[in-house]
Amino acid sequence: GQQLNQSPQSMFIQEGEDVSMNCTSSSIFNTWLWYKQDPGEGPVLLIALYKAGELTSNGRLTAQFGITRKDSFLNISASIPSDVGIYFCAGRTSGSRLTFGEGTQLTVNP
Amino acid sequence: GAVVSQHPSWVICKSGTSVKIECRSLDFQATTMFWYRQFPKQSLMLMATSNEGSKATYEQGVEKDKFLINHASLTLSTLTVTSAHPEDSSFYICSASMGYEKLFFGSGTQLSVL
Repeated sequence: GQQLNQSPQSMFIQEGEDVSMNCTSSSIFNTWLWYKQDPGEGPVLLIALYKAGELTSNGRLTAQFGITRKDSFLNISASIPSDVGIYFCAGRTSGSRLTFGEGTQLTVNP
Repeated sequence: GAVVSQHPSWVICKSGTSVKIECRSLDFQATTMFWYRQFPKQSLMLMATSNEGSKATYEQGVEKDKFLINHASLTLSTLTVTSAHPEDSSFYICSASMGYEKLFFGSGTQLSVL
């Protein structure tokens, strides 16, 4: 089946630093999505990307849909303590069925 | 934004008993609902896809007789874990779709089987 390789698995940063994480796949996706999950909660959508090459921002977050449609990255600028959580990428080919990456655990030290 | 309510948020049960988890779309009609399972520090694994009024489609390796899914209305889907065992302990998450572009997640249910 389809698989998404997400890296890094975890990150420990200082408040104010920028963060970058990415996902790659051997398969093509038509949509890339980035979610954040807090402990004991469901994922919350951060950014959705629908076109190859698309670069989209949401506040301090920026994500891009790779030209090959097989990869995407998420950047967080000027991190703050509430950015702590697990970030997941997800790809969609058709319908609403998603394939999730393994997640990036982000820790922000004040 | 659209809200998906999942209940209960956590449940503890004895081995051999059955547990029902509800997923409701509160302000929209969900044509499709999805059920995921998530182990600690791991990703979400899709268990099944359910469409209102029809049988659920289960992913490979997921026992349909153990994880019963009912999608009786456009706003409610239920997952019943039958004869639960400790290895069924996990975080279960539902999501509801109101169309191709719109997918919303519930807040999850932590199941602990003693």
